[in-house]
Amino acid sequence: DQQVKQNSPSLSVQEGRISILNCDYTNSMFDYFLWYKKYPAEGPTFLISISSIKDKNEDGRFTVFLNKSAKHLSLHIVPSQPGDSAVYFCAASIGDRLAFGKGNQVVVIP
Amino acid sequence: NAGVTQTPKFQVLKTGQSMTLQCAQDMNHNSMYWYRQDPGMGLRLIYYSASEGTTDKGEVPNGYNVSRLNKREFSLRLESAAPSQTSVYFCASTRGLAGYNEQFFGPGTRLTVL
Repeated sequence: DQQVKQNSPSLSVQEGRISILNCDYTNSMFDYFLWYKKYPAEGPTFLISISSIKDKNEDGRFTVFLNKSAKHLSLHIVPSQPGDSAVYFCAASIGDRLAFGKGNQVVVIP
Repeated sequence: NAGVTQTPKFQVLKTGQSMTLQCAQDMNHNSMYWYRQDPGMGLRLIYYSASEGTTDKGEVPNGYNVSRLNKREFSLRLESAAPSQTSVYFCASTRGLAGYNEQFFGPGTRLTVL
């Protein structure tokens, strides 16, 4: 049973506009939520995280929002750039184990 | 620092052959992981090791064995490869301490079983 779900497998967005990626989870025991970015033929790289006790974390163009009551988080990228074209994985942790979503393909159109 | 390294990068096996995927990290991390990534399936945990000398099953351990050789190295062995094991395999590591633990990933091994 998948504990972390990412719907809408792909997203296309114009350069300069906002990209919004969504993620839902089922386990209320998750203590941290993370977003990873993956380019083809490379391993995933960490992008941004949020503690379960916070509702927002911002790092440059990337902001993650957490709604614990809805068990939902989202990643906002603004402005989107061509280099942001990648697969984005949502992940949730309990201790030192991560559960991953299936990923969202983002294509930024110049 | 090289971070997390994996060998080989690519491998083609015939059904029934065996092989070992190697992983090493130079960040003095305590915990190490093996994942597989299949199209539309995200990353699924095969095995992990919270510390040297310990290993635990993940979500999809069947058909695999692991060895935590020392703190740096964590290998994944396929004793009798099957076509269902065709996948991209990622090794990862993390500090493994209390609190937030970001995982660092290697570049992956692309395995095809014919």
